[in-house]
Amino acid sequence: QQQVKQSPQSLIVQKGGISIINCAYENTAFDYFPWYQQFPGKGPALLIAIRPDVSEKKEGRFTISFNKSAKQFSLHIMDSQPGDSATYFCAAGEYNNNDMRFGAGTRLTVKP
Amino acid sequence: KAGVTQTPRYLIKTRGQQVTLSCSPISGHRSVSWYQQTPGQGLQFLFEYFSETQRNKGNFPGRFSGRQFSNSRSEMNVSTLELGDSALYLCASSLGSGLGEQYFGPGTRLTVT
Repeated sequence: QQQVKQSPQSLIVQKGGISIINCAYENTAFDYFPWYQQFPGKGPALLIAIRPDVSEKKEGRFTISFNKSAKQFSLHIMDSQPGDSATYFCAAGEYNNNDMRFGAGTRLTVKP
Repeated sequence: KAGVTQTPRYLIKTRGQQVTLSCSPISGHRSVSWYQQTPGQGLQFLFEYFSETQRNKGNFPGRFSGRQFSNSRSEMNVSTLELGDSALYLCASSLGSGLGEQYFGPGTRLTVT
């Protein structure tokens, strides 16, 4: 069922640095690509999402870059902070269908 | 506005038993989706309910079932529990089926012994 590949599995970044997480999908019918942030003991929280009609979307320190031809998208966290330490999941699916396929997750650690 | 709530938060059951988990969506949201999260398999889609009807179903055995009530609250049932059913069960609500953004609850941690 794995249709979304996420890398790296874990990431350590210094405070103030840029965190980059990559995802690749297979199904060309997918047209909705959200990113979720999950802290221990909590459910995933929607962070930012993109549709394929744009190649980039920015919200504060978080940016999604999307490459439709390569079927890849990535999350960039600028000026990473220790409070950003969490597990990040990419997902992909059809906007008109709530059956989301999730990546395996990236555990981000931001060192002070 | 209150978020998605799930009850109970923690549950311990024995193999062979059955369990029912509950989810109350965000007020005004009519779609509820259920996911299973495990360290080995990650987040996997179970099913989605909209207007009391199952709209989508993932690749899980028939032991996993659900329903939705007229107030959009949803329940998920797992019968004949197996050790491998130990997981965090998450529900997510959205305004409607096929309206994109889903918001997750804190989950129910099920442990099967």
